[in-house]
Amino acid sequence: DAGVIQSPRHEVTEMGQEVTLRCKPISGHNSLFWYRQTMMRGLELLIYFNNNVPIDDSGMPEDRFSAKMPNASFSTLKIQPSEPRDSAVYFCASSLTSREQFFGPGTRLTVL
Amino acid sequence: SQKIEQNSEALNIQEGKTATLTCNYTNYSPAYLQWYRQDPGRGPVFLLLIRENEKEKRKERLKVTFDTTLKQSLFHITASQPADSATYLCALWSNYQLIWGAGTKLIIKP
Repeated sequence: DAGVIQSPRHEVTEMGQEVTLRCKPISGHNSLFWYRQTMMRGLELLIYFNNNVPIDDSGMPEDRFSAKMPNASFSTLKIQPSEPRDSAVYFCASSLTSREQFFGPGTRLTVL
Repeated sequence: SQKIEQNSEALNIQEGKTATLTCNYTNYSPAYLQWYRQDPGRGPVFLLLIRENEKEKRKERLKVTFDTTLKQSLFHITASQPADSATYLCALWSNYQLIWGAGTKLIIKP
């Protein structure tokens, strides 16, 4: 199995631009998680899906953030408009049992 | 308030010795606790899971203990090697999600 796939690996954009991060979970996993990691705040859960349905989005910082999971093999996290404080590493993780999670390599986002 | 605490300072250990990392929590009653390893530029990798009714779990050179009375988990690496150098994160399962500690950076010196 290829593991969790994320794209792009690096994204540099200017403030105000729209950013879309993509994730392909491990085949057969029924839960998907979006995290943000910074030195200051550590690993923060933004949103998670179970069977493609958003279960808890209380970690989404603002209305500028949105996430979708149109099918079991694809999810997106969108930031519109982006701000410099959104700069972080964004991880996608998937799991089968909602217990041990398998993380992707992350997307390093820099907003100038 | 609910929180999870891991030693924020890096832990320096001589190769061959046992490294012990601590995870303390307050105001949670987790059904289980997990430990992950994270290398620079990579996502966390699952290592071990221990349930509330388990006192100890082992996997090769790794050992985890879980004391629900003390609200503490200890993570041990025996016969440590430079390749064990990484950041180690603990995470509690609570309210259908994992709550993460900030991690402890472990440095194993040859």
